[in-house]
Formats: sequence, structure tokens, C-alpha cells
Amino acid sequence: DVKVTQSSRYLVKRTGEKVFLECVQDMDHENMFWYRQDPGLGLRLIYFSYDVKMKEKGDIPEGYSVSREKKERFSLILESASTNQTSMYLCASSFGDRGTQYFGPGTRLTVL
Amino acid sequence: DQQVKQNSPSLSVQEGRISILNCDYTNSMFDYFLWYKKYPAEGPTFLISISSIKDKNEDGRFTVFLNKSAKHLSLHIVPSQPGDSAVYFCATFSNSGYALNFGKGTSLLVTP
Repeated sequence: DVKVTQSSRYLVKRTGEKVFLECVQDMDHENMFWYRQDPGLGLRLIYFSYDVKMKEKGDIPEGYSVSREKKERFSLILESASTNQTSMYLCASSFGDRGTQYFGPGTRLTVL
Repeated sequence: DQQVKQNSPSLSVQEGRISILNCDYTNSMFDYFLWYKKYPAEGPTFLISISSIKDKNEDGRFTVFLNKSAKHLSLHIVPSQPGDSAVYFCATFSNSGYALNFGKGTSLLVTP
């Protein structure tokens, strides 16, 4: 079974703080993704990575950066958290081109 | 611009009846479609997929139909069970072939 874990289920931060969200997968998948889910907007892609140290912007990368130093780990960084980044953040991984994506349980981030 | 559209935010169905969830897409070049299911406080899980070379794919109680001329797909759940109550997202691969474009989701409630 593929396992994708995220470092926190719930997180509360203050405006302006730097926030790190960590994601780890145990299936040696090449591809990793960060999405955010908001009511009425579905899942929107923030960034993805198809290899170590490689990253590609998704649909809504503004205000975020990512890091992939090891194959199994993909970090999402909010450089200076803002209230409009309050959301559910979902990490996923997949193997190869058009591979099925497996999601972690999500991190509910609240920025006050 | 949303490339995958789910126009019904919610659907309520009685247990034992058929649930039909609909999805429209804009680009006739899309050639692979997926349905994901999401319970609250969990990540989405892959449910069923269909390639554009088919017009139907069945897996147990779940069947996906694809109408390429109408750029429309639907997910049928028969018979519906209370445990099917969840948000269902339709998705297709983006141009990169790695990331997914998701619809906004349809919240299904199956009542006993």
C-alpha cells in the first residue's frame, strides 16, 4: 500500500510567519504534488516535482515555494503566511507519466 | 478557466437508488479521465478511470461513461449506499501529463 504522510493534520500560524508543510511518500514515486482545497473551488495545483531538485509551478504558485532535496520528501513553504492562505493542503505522489496519484490526509492550515 | 466542470455542487439520493454524477470538459484533446472520492478530513482516493478509446468502464457498483462528442462524462453508482456519501471529483491530466486538473467537486449524500 502506498503511504503518503503529511507532517501535521492541523496547524495554526500567525500572519507573516514562515510555514513549512512536509510530505513524505514511501513508494519511491518520482512525482510529488501540492494542492490546496477550498470550498467551491475544488483542488488547485500549487507546485509539483517530477524529480529530485526539480519543480514546476502549478496554477496558483504565488506566495508559495517548494523544496525537493530527497526523492521521498516534498516540502511546501509559505514564506510569509497570509490569511488568504488558510486552507486544506493536500500532498500527492505518483509514478511515471499519467500515474495514479495517491494523496496524504491533508493539513488544515489556519492563518490568523 | 476551468477545464473540467462539475456543475452540480451537491446531490442527494436514497439508499439503493442510482447516483449519477456529471462532469463536462472543454478540451477535446483530453484523453484520460479519473474520478476521485474524498471524505471529510481525509485525502482524495482514486475511484475509477476511463481512457478516451472507451466509452464505458465498470468496477463493481461504479461505472463511468464517456461521451466524447458531448465532452461529457458521468459516474454511476448502483446501488448507492450511505458509505458512498462523500465529495466526488472528476479530473483529467494537465498538458504536462503529470498533474491533474480537478473539477470543483460534487457532494453526494446517500440517505437511508
